[in-house]
Amino acid sequence: DQQVKQNSPSLSVQEGRISILNCDYTNSMFDYFLWYKKYPAEGPTFLISISSIKDKNEDGRFTVFLNKSAKHLSLHIVPSQPGDSAVYFCAASGGTSYGKLTFGQGTILTVHP
Amino acid sequence: NAGVMQNPRHLVRRRGQEARLRCSPMKGHSHVYWYRQLPEEGLKFMVYLQKENIIDESGMPKERFSAEFPKEGPSILRIQQVVRGDSAAYFCASSPAGGQGRGQPQHFGDGTRLSIL
Repeated sequence: DQQVKQNSPSLSVQEGRISILNCDYTNSMFDYFLWYKKYPAEGPTFLISISSIKDKNEDGRFTVFLNKSAKHLSLHIVPSQPGDSAVYFCAASGGTSYGKLTFGQGTILTVHP
Repeated sequence: NAGVMQNPRHLVRRRGQEARLRCSPMKGHSHVYWYRQLPEEGLKFMVYLQKENIIDESGMPKERFSAEFPKEGPSILRIQQVVRGDSAAYFCASSPAGGQGRGQPQHFGDGTRLSIL
C-alpha cells in the first residue's frame, strides 16, 4: 500500500531552467510534508517542508506547493544548477503516527550544464 | 557541528550472525528514528524511540529485530540471526523534542550499509 507516490522515476532539466518534482499521497491524515535530497552513499538531506495549513512555502531557490484537495504536492527549483542533480524524496507524516515519515520512491533529477 | 553519527558505515556479516548498528543523534535531539532502504526503493520506517522508551515500532519485523535508546550512549539497532534479505542501507534520524508536530524535520545520518554473505 504505497501511501506516498512519486510517479516520475527520473527528470532531466537544463541548467538555469525550472525543475518540477511531483508527489501524490492517499492518506488524508497526513498533515506535514517534507522534501529531502539524497546523494549516493549519503543520508537524505532536509530541503523544505510544509504544513497542511499552508499551500505554499518558499526557501531561496526551493518552493513547495500543496494542493490538499488533490492530495498533491510539488517541489519547484528555480534556477536549476548541476549541483542539484540527486535523488529527491517526498515524505509525509500525521495522524497518530506523527513521528513516522512515509517516503515516496524518489525521483532522480539530472541537471545538464 | 556534529550531525547524526552512524557507525559502522559498512558492515559485513555471514548468515546467522548478529548485526549491531549504532546511532548518536544530533546534539540537543532526544528523538531517534530508524529507517531501512532496500535497493531501488524509498526509505521505510522501522521504529521511533525516545530515551529509554519505544514510541512506535510499527515498522519493525516481528522477529530478530530490536532497538533501544538507553539513558546514556547511542541508539542501537540489533538484528539477530541475519539472513540475506536483511542486506540494505539502514538510516538513523533524529529530531528535537516536539518533532514533527512542531514543524521540526528529521535529520539523517549517512547510514550503515549492511551486507550479508
